[in-house]
Amino acid sequence: DTGVSQNPRHKITKRGQNVTFRCDPISEHNRLYWYRQTLGQGPEFLTYFQNEAQLEKSRLLSDRFSAERPKGSFSTLEIQRTEQGDSAMYLCASSWTREIWYFGPGTRLLVL
Amino acid sequence: GENVEQHPSTLSVQEGDSAVIKCTYSDSASNYFPWYKQELGKGPQLIIDIRSNVGEKKDQRIAVTLNKTAKHFSLHITETQPEDSAVYFCAAGVQGAQKLVFGQGTRLTINP
Repeated sequence: DTGVSQNPRHKITKRGQNVTFRCDPISEHNRLYWYRQTLGQGPEFLTYFQNEAQLEKSRLLSDRFSAERPKGSFSTLEIQRTEQGDSAMYLCASSWTREIWYFGPGTRLLVL
Repeated sequence: GENVEQHPSTLSVQEGDSAVIKCTYSDSASNYFPWYKQELGKGPQLIIDIRSNVGEKKDQRIAVTLNKTAKHFSLHITETQPEDSAVYFCAAGVQGAQKLVFGQGTRLTINP
């Protein structure tokens, strides 16, 4: 499978716990994006990497959220001290050209 | 910032009929308008896109129209089939920019 992959696909955690998600982009894609999607809504932009550099962060990304892309390959998104409002689908996308975003299947997070 | 409104939120059509989904955007700087299809448990997949230098684009049963003056664009699906049932999202952005702003989504159901 040469598409964008995300792990885990599902995560259930208790409020206050930390969680980490991983995204493996399409090989050689230099751009990587994280989006969040809540039930019945469209995806909302969280952050963007070009290679290993994090170039833009949304105001949605509070200080409890941190994202990394070491060596410009896979990326991780960590949420510290999770809250029930963090429950959502977290989508990763990658691209080579500036417009065609290829999305992964997402990680669905449920915070109890 | 950009704001994208999408209508209707749900749409049910008979197999073989046409379906139309409409979006409006607020930022006149936006010049790239993709449409995504999201099936259950999967990430959004690009189905067609249009840039502001054209007014219409077709790809088999799918077409998109753009009215820059009115700031709205539409997705047209003809000869609908059961496999067209999914959630469809429109989005708007500036070509070469890092993020897209998505509409709220339309759940399309094709009745056999």
